Amino acid sequence: TQLLEQSPQFLSIQEGENLTVYCNSSSVFSSLQWYRQEPGEGPVLLVTVVTGGEVKKLKRLTFQFGDARKDSSLHITAAQPGDTGLYLCAGAFTTSGTYKYIFGTGTRLKVLA
Amino acid sequence: GAGVSQSPSNKVTEKGKDVELRCDPISGHTALYWYRQSLGQGLEFLIYFQGNSAPDKSGLPSDRFSAERTGGSVSTLTIQRTQQEDSAVYLCASRADSNQPQHFGDGTRLSIL
Repeated sequence: TQLLEQSPQFLSIQEGENLTVYCNSSSVFSSLQWYRQEPGEGPVLLVTVVTGGEVKKLKRLTFQFGDARKDSSLHITAAQPGDTGLYLCAGAFTTSGTYKYIFGTGTRLKVLA
Repeated sequence: GAGVSQSPSNKVTEKGKDVELRCDPISGHTALYWYRQSLGQGLEFLIYFQGNSAPDKSGLPSDRFSAERTGGSVSTLTIQRTQQEDSAVYLCASRADSNQPQHFGDGTRLSIL
């Protein structure tokens, strides 16, 4: 059984602070996605990382895929209230010819003005 | 529309009733996934359709759950004899091919009284 542990589960910080969210697994993924979800809406894709060691930046967000493709991190610099939401990581893998995803448990971020 | 459409957006029903949830994927997307999300947490995989292949039903929690995808497009998730533990947000996602990310609908919030 594949598991994807995400931490922290909850995070409440002041505007302007930095934070890092982690996703860890003992399984190797072919790619890993990060999503942000707002109340009443579906998850919206932020980034996909594919190559071990890959680093991608999206404005103030920096995503890194572990060298062994088992873990990933999301770092937010100078957090803004608009960053508030549920952050989800999802590891992609193939099994028996199907292409599936396993999701982390989510990190609920609240950025206070 | 351009995105994944799910209906109804909210459903309240009594324990023991059957419910049908609908998903209209993005036109041309061959893969369709159903997930369940409880209390703003991570997503639990339910079922996966890929083209004309037999669906991967490995995530369905019991035989009360079933899903079909007609004509390779619209999908319906059916829950028979609903129980209170079925209360959750049911999310649908579609994907063009294995190199493309999933796109999510806004979900159906199901409440069992």
